[in-house]
Amino acid sequence: DSGVTQTPKHLITATGQRVTLRCSPRSGDLSVYWYQQSLDQGLQFLIQYYNGEERAKGNILERFSAQQFPDLHSELNLSSLELGDSALYFCASSVVAGGEGSPLHFGNGTRLTVT
Amino acid sequence: AQTVTQSQPEMSVQEAETVTLSCTYDTSENNYYLFWYKQPPSRQMILVIRQEAYKQQNATENRFSVNFQKAAKSFSLKISDSQLGDTAMYFCAQTAYTGNQFYFGTGTSLTVIP
Repeated sequence: DSGVTQTPKHLITATGQRVTLRCSPRSGDLSVYWYQQSLDQGLQFLIQYYNGEERAKGNILERFSAQQFPDLHSELNLSSLELGDSALYFCASSVVAGGEGSPLHFGNGTRLTVT
Repeated sequence: AQTVTQSQPEMSVQEAETVTLSCTYDTSENNYYLFWYKQPPSRQMILVIRQEAYKQQNATENRFSVNFQKAAKSFSLKISDSQLGDTAMYFCAQTAYTGNQFYFGTGTSLTVIP
């Protein structure tokens, strides 16, 4: 168990809808990363937060947004969903803002299916 | 730009044998860290091993070890005494000491054959 909690585990929704994915980092970790993994694909970095502030942005669509709250949990909001948004969404946490070799600890992911 | 390349999309190995997964990377940083992550069919991402670039000694974790060649920018993973539970996708990753980005390879799918 990595200590990173993601909810829900599975989500099925229709095109055009909006969903929210939630992540609680490991105790003591201040940094949260979001990744998207489409079927049989690698990991696409979406966005990173550290202690409530956005630190880095990757290939995140304008329809997607995220935030990290004072209690350090994070939410990824996906709107105007398209079939191509179907994927496994991972949250990962780390102690530091970045660097220093602190590894990422991943949650079990949220499987999003858009029909 | 920093890139991580895994040139072997798929590999297989007989149970109890040894297999080596390749990874090369490109970075202008002098100090950085390298990782191997395992993603079994359950789709969890599990940290396998970590290597600090400034350390010459290759990291080992039980049956998993790395061959780190800094000059060649190569970071291969050796799995000894392969077990059925080692069947998974393996991702190589790199991050700079001063950076906050993790760069992942595209993965190698390993199948352990009984």
